[in-house]
Amino acid sequence: KNQVEQSPQSLIILEGKNCTLQCNYTVSPFSNLRWYKQDTGRGPVSLTIMTFSENTKSNGRYTATLDADTKQSSLHITASQLSDSASYICVVSGMDSSYKLIFGSGTRLLVRP
Amino acid sequence: EPEVTQTPSHQVTQMGQEVILRCVPISNHLYFYWYRQILGQKVEFLVSFYNNEISEKSEIFDDQFSVERPDGSNFTLKIRSTKLEDSAMYFCASSGHRERVGNQPQHFGDGTRLSIL
Repeated sequence: KNQVEQSPQSLIILEGKNCTLQCNYTVSPFSNLRWYKQDTGRGPVSLTIMTFSENTKSNGRYTATLDADTKQSSLHITASQLSDSASYICVVSGMDSSYKLIFGSGTRLLVRP
Repeated sequence: EPEVTQTPSHQVTQMGQEVILRCVPISNHLYFYWYRQILGQKVEFLVSFYNNEISEKSEIFDDQFSVERPDGSNFTLKIRSTKLEDSAMYFCASSGHRERVGNQPQHFGDGTRLSIL
């Protein structure tokens, strides 16, 4: 069964600190892996997209890594800001014609001053 | 920056009533999607739509659900006879205004919160 698992479920860090969120997936065949940020009451916003041939991709203070062999990904947030408080969702797209997305449960990040 | 817009932001409906959720995808996008998120749970795929027809639907998307792109700009999700378990946030998304659509970001609206009483 196609699944995306994330850890931790929630995380609290101090402003200015770094953190790393983890994602494991079993989606096959695999097309790409995405990280989305979802603020409370808002729709998900795309941060990064990586295909199987990409190992790392950055978007400002966000850096995603992908190991397609072990089917693991991470999202590293550098120098966290209060506005980084949100849910971070790992999303995988399989190799099918509809390009539907399979979502993880997300990691709820709270950045405290 | 172009965005996906959804209306209404909150819909309260009596069980058994029909409801239509509306979405305006990003202009020139080719692929359209509906997802739902029950409170506290994962976002789940409902249906994808391309070239004026459904390209894939999940097992959630039963005969009570239908989608339509009536006028080239709107994309609607209709639930014919709502049930209590249809209460959720419904997100519309669109993607694919150029080649390699599979690796393009899906742009999400802010959702419609559907509450069934």
